[in-house]
Amino acid sequence: AQRVTQPEKLLSVFKGAPVELKCNYSYSGSPELFWYVQYSRQRLQLLLRHISRESIKGFTADLNKGETSFHLKKPFAQEEDSAMYYCALIPDSSYKLIFGSGTRLLVRP
Amino acid sequence: ETGVTQTPRHLVMGMTNKKSLKCEQHLGHNAMYWYKQSAKKPLELMFVYNFKEQTENNSVPSRFSPECPNSSHLFLHLHTLQPEDSALYLCASSQEAAANTGELFFGEGSRLTVL
Repeated sequence: AQRVTQPEKLLSVFKGAPVELKCNYSYSGSPELFWYVQYSRQRLQLLLRHISRESIKGFTADLNKGETSFHLKKPFAQEEDSAMYYCALIPDSSYKLIFGSGTRLLVRP
Repeated sequence: ETGVTQTPRHLVMGMTNKKSLKCEQHLGHNAMYWYKQSAKKPLELMFVYNFKEQTENNSVPSRFSPECPNSSHLFLHLHTLQPEDSALYLCASSQEAAANTGELFFGEGSRLTVL
C-alpha cells in the first residue's frame, strides 16, 4: 500500500539554524513527490514538487529512491518558516494525492 | 470571489440530522476533491471528481454522499453521521485529475462536529 511517513510531529529550531523535515514513502513504482505547507490561518498550499527540482523560499528536497525518502531542507531557518509541513505523493499514472501526517516546524527567535 | 470557497465554515449536527457541505471554485478547474482531516491523522482522500464524473471513492461509508452538478461546485451530503465523523473536511480543486501536476488548491475547510 502507498504510504507517506513523517516521523516528527514537531521540530523546533532556532532562527538561522539548518532545518531538515523528514519524509519517507512506501511505494514500489515511480511516485511523484511534493511538499505542502500550511501557515497559521492560511490554506494548505503547494510548496514544491520533486520533478521541478526547484528551490522555493530557500527550501529544497531531493528524492532518494534507494532510501525512499524526500526530506525537506533549508540551510538557515527563518521565523516566517514556522508552519505545518506535509509531504505527499502521487503514485504513477494516478491522481490520488496521498499525504503524510505532517510536521509542525517552529522557528524560535 | 476567487479560489476555493467552502460553506459552512463550522457545522454542529446531531446523529439523526441531514446536512450538506458546499464547495465552490472559481479557478476554471475540472477536478474537485473531498479530503477528511482528523486530529492526529493524515489527510484522507474521500472522493475525486474529474469533469463531473466520480473517479475515486476511497471506501467512504455511504452516510457520506458526494454530488458534483458541474465542474465548479461540489457537495458532500451528510446523513446519520457518527461522533467519530467529527473532523475538518477540506475541498480542493486542480486543473484536471489525470496526469496531475500535484498542485491542488484547497479551501479553508468546514469544521464538522457530530454530537
